[in-house]
Amino acid sequence: GDSVTQMEGPVTLSEEAFLTINCTYTATGYPSLFWYVQYPGEGLQLLLKATKADDKGSNKGFEATYRKETTSFHLEKGSVQVSDSAVYFCALSDGGGSEKLVFGKGTKLTVNP
Amino acid sequence: EADIYQTPRYLVIGTGKKITLECSQTMGHDKMYWYQQDPGMELHLIHYSYGVNSTEKGDLSSESTVSRIRTEHFPLTLESARPSHTSQYLCASSERKTGGTDTQYFGPGTRLTVL
Repeated sequence: GDSVTQMEGPVTLSEEAFLTINCTYTATGYPSLFWYVQYPGEGLQLLLKATKADDKGSNKGFEATYRKETTSFHLEKGSVQVSDSAVYFCALSDGGGSEKLVFGKGTKLTVNP
Repeated sequence: EADIYQTPRYLVIGTGKKITLECSQTMGHDKMYWYQQDPGMELHLIHYSYGVNSTEKGDLSSESTVSRIRTEHFPLTLESARPSHTSQYLCASSERKTGGTDTQYFGPGTRLTVL
């Protein structure tokens, strides 16, 4: 079945550092890919998405590019802030009828001042 | 962006009590979902619905039940709560876009503690 693997955390960075959170997927079809963010005590918020190969999703300084050849959707940000501290989830939707999200296990990011 | 609401946000109850977690969305989305999030953060789909009078069990077996009598409302019920039900419960909804893909929007969650 479809699956998502993302780098295990926790990840701790200093403010203004560069962030990469790796995400790879396994899917039989042509999935859509998502990054969600969960701030402490809250639900998930959609951060960005990409629906086809070579699409780049971006939001709030975060970017991720849908790489079909490497089945990857790595999340990057050039300069993190303390307010970016949260848990980040990579997910896919196969869109082929099941229309359910498959999530990675989440990566906790802590940014120190 | 969808507006989706969950109540209560926090609930502490004793073993054996019956509880209902409420979820409502105001965007007219056909599809709604319940996820259980364990302390290790992993999310598990426990129920979903594609419309009124449609409910399906998710990937993780759950003793809870759901109903979908109105489009905007998707409550989850536990007939007899146990400590093993202690978790965070997240509700989500989505609308199929023509030629596009579903994007799920999440509520703030209910953190349930069963003593």
